[in-house]
Amino acid sequence: AQSVTQLDSQVPVFEEAPVELRCNYSSSVSVYLFWYVQYPNQGLQLLLKYLSGSTLVESINGFEAEFNKSQTSFHLRKPSVHISDTAEYFCAVSEPLGSARQLTFGSGTQLTVLP
Amino acid sequence: SAVISQKPSRDICQRGTSLTIQCQVDSQVTMMFWYRQQPGQSLTLIATANQGSEATYESGFVIDKFPISRPNLTFSTLTVSNMSPEDSSIYLCSVEVQVETQYFGPGTRLLVL
Repeated sequence: AQSVTQLDSQVPVFEEAPVELRCNYSSSVSVYLFWYVQYPNQGLQLLLKYLSGSTLVESINGFEAEFNKSQTSFHLRKPSVHISDTAEYFCAVSEPLGSARQLTFGSGTQLTVLP
Repeated sequence: SAVISQKPSRDICQRGTSLTIQCQVDSQVTMMFWYRQQPGQSLTLIATANQGSEATYESGFVIDKFPISRPNLTFSTLTVSNMSPEDSSIYLCSVEVQVETQYFGPGTRLLVL
């Protein structure tokens, strides 16, 4: 069975500083990896995903994540954060389960960008 | 992607009552999912709802407590039955539009008194 670990429950950073949100997963089979973002009082929005191909994936708002199979990680990074990036970030893993795939979420990381 | 709406967006209910949450998507989709997000927690899958078949429930969730309907390819409902304060959560529906990718609705925030 798969599991997702987000080691940092809260990450405070100052505006324009770089940030890395860590995500490690446990799975014995081929996985797909996702980052979702949840702004206050809103639902989840897909930020970026890795299905295959290049191990470095990017979002339209400057975030990137790199799939590292040997370290079973999919850390999220941004070189310079904005106040508007303040949100809860969830890492998720999709693994085959029978004829379907099951999506498992990490516990989330609250990113707070300080002025 | 897809445009997904949920009704109601939030509600306050008395214990022992039931609430039906609606999920509408702007395109036809095969697979729809219902999740629960308890306060300060991550998302937990309640069930998978495919049109034309019975919903498949995850361990810890039963049909009597969370009956689901899926009458067509753009709509689903989740009912939270005989509610208790422990059912206070955000309930989210999601759909698989692109291959292997789920998109989520805005959620229904439920408070049970």
